[in-house]
Amino acid sequence: RKEVEQDPGPFNVPEGATVAFNCTYSNSASQSFFWYRQDCRKEPKLLMSVYSSGNEDGRFTAQLNRASQYISLLIRDSKLSDSATYLCVVNKDTDKLIFGTGTRLQVFP
Amino acid sequence: EPEVTQTPSHQVTQMGQEVILRCVPISNHLYFYWYRQILGQKVEFLVSFYNNEISEKSEIFDDQFSVERPDGSNFTLKIRSTKLEDSAMYFCASETGAGYEQYFGPGTRLTVT
Repeated sequence: RKEVEQDPGPFNVPEGATVAFNCTYSNSASQSFFWYRQDCRKEPKLLMSVYSSGNEDGRFTAQLNRASQYISLLIRDSKLSDSATYLCVVNKDTDKLIFGTGTRLQVFP
Repeated sequence: EPEVTQTPSHQVTQMGQEVILRCVPISNHLYFYWYRQILGQKVEFLVSFYNNEISEKSEIFDDQFSVERPDGSNFTLKIRSTKLEDSAMYFCASETGAGYEQYFGPGTRLTVT
């Protein structure tokens, strides 16, 4: 089983749509959780950390379910500029980040 | 806003040659990392560095690889004898403390011919 698993997509959605990404992780000892976005041939950029209580940053909401080992990201009112690959990232009891393969989002006019 | 910088942005080298990739982490950060991403694949951890020594390395990080923080600001990754399969994007990252948020540099694209 992969350490971090994501649906590769692509998700093709119109502007203004709401889109949700899911991610599962295999190691129950994982301690920190993040969503990064990556544009083509660019570096991963931190979008948000994910907490058990859930957190929201503008149009973005992240949720963590430790019992199910499941992380989600919801994007409301999609913009063309949201088109990117969204990376689910987990950190265990060491400091290295473990990346999923990413879910590609394409927002069209 | 402070950022991680990396040089060069693109390096082309012949198989068997040595390359040094350079990074300047964010100035008050204490933990430094190298990751790589082969085209079309996921980002993979190579090595972490704290307090002037390696704290963890992956199985990719074999004897051909080394890291150094030569002068308190730069953080380098050396590949002693490059192989074709070393062709990838190499990202440097830094963070203030372990388990906090890591910030990535723009990457060096290494092409081994």
